Amino acid sequence: NAGVTQTPKFQVLKTGQSMTLQCAQDMNHNSMYWYRQDPGMGLRLIYYSASEGTTDKGEVPNGYNVSRLNKREFSLRLESAAPSQTSVYFCASSESPGAGNTIYFGEGSWLTVV
Amino acid sequence: DQQVKQNSPSLSVQEGRISILNCDYTNSMFDYFLWYKKYPAEGPTFLISISSIKDKNEDGRFTVFLNKSAKHLSLHIVPSQPGDSAVYFCAASWGGNNRLAFGKGNQVVVIP
Repeated sequence: NAGVTQTPKFQVLKTGQSMTLQCAQDMNHNSMYWYRQDPGMGLRLIYYSASEGTTDKGEVPNGYNVSRLNKREFSLRLESAAPSQTSVYFCASSESPGAGNTIYFGEGSWLTVV
Repeated sequence: DQQVKQNSPSLSVQEGRISILNCDYTNSMFDYFLWYKKYPAEGPTFLISISSIKDKNEDGRFTVFLNKSAKHLSLHIVPSQPGDSAVYFCAASWGGNNRLAFGKGNQVVVIP
């Protein structure tokens, strides 16, 4: 049982380049999330998708776009990468968007923008 | 401005003793609180949670206490085991949704 799978695990980008982080979950969950974690900081919500077909901004959405491709997949796109986007990115999912639904995280994607 | 605060970033404890992690919050609208555990190079994993209508929740070696008037919660791990060595994040949500605000985390080292 893979749970939440993110690709790529590591990526180095040059300033201004674009890339997409892919995420898929095999738990038939309705809700999916993208978080980032900077050194010495807690996780911050970038975007979330309460259910298939919906997406909403989180705490730090600037510079990112998302696509809920289907129930399984939720991608995060950086259109023009900036050094401030160097971070560890975590995709996550939960059965539904309500409080108390356990959120399951992927292993993380390490992104460096030079 | 950080709404969930974890001070004392690191804690060392002898195996078998109690580990106590503290968390303070500023948003009085928070109605659900969680603790997550994270090992290096892995994603966080859910540990225990508590609703704002309760003041205590226990699950095996883990107990979370909530003091709403002080906007404070704590996680007790007893007895501590070497496998508990990890970073622990306090998190909170409000409005009945699952959008979490995280603290910076506490590094716990359990010494065998």
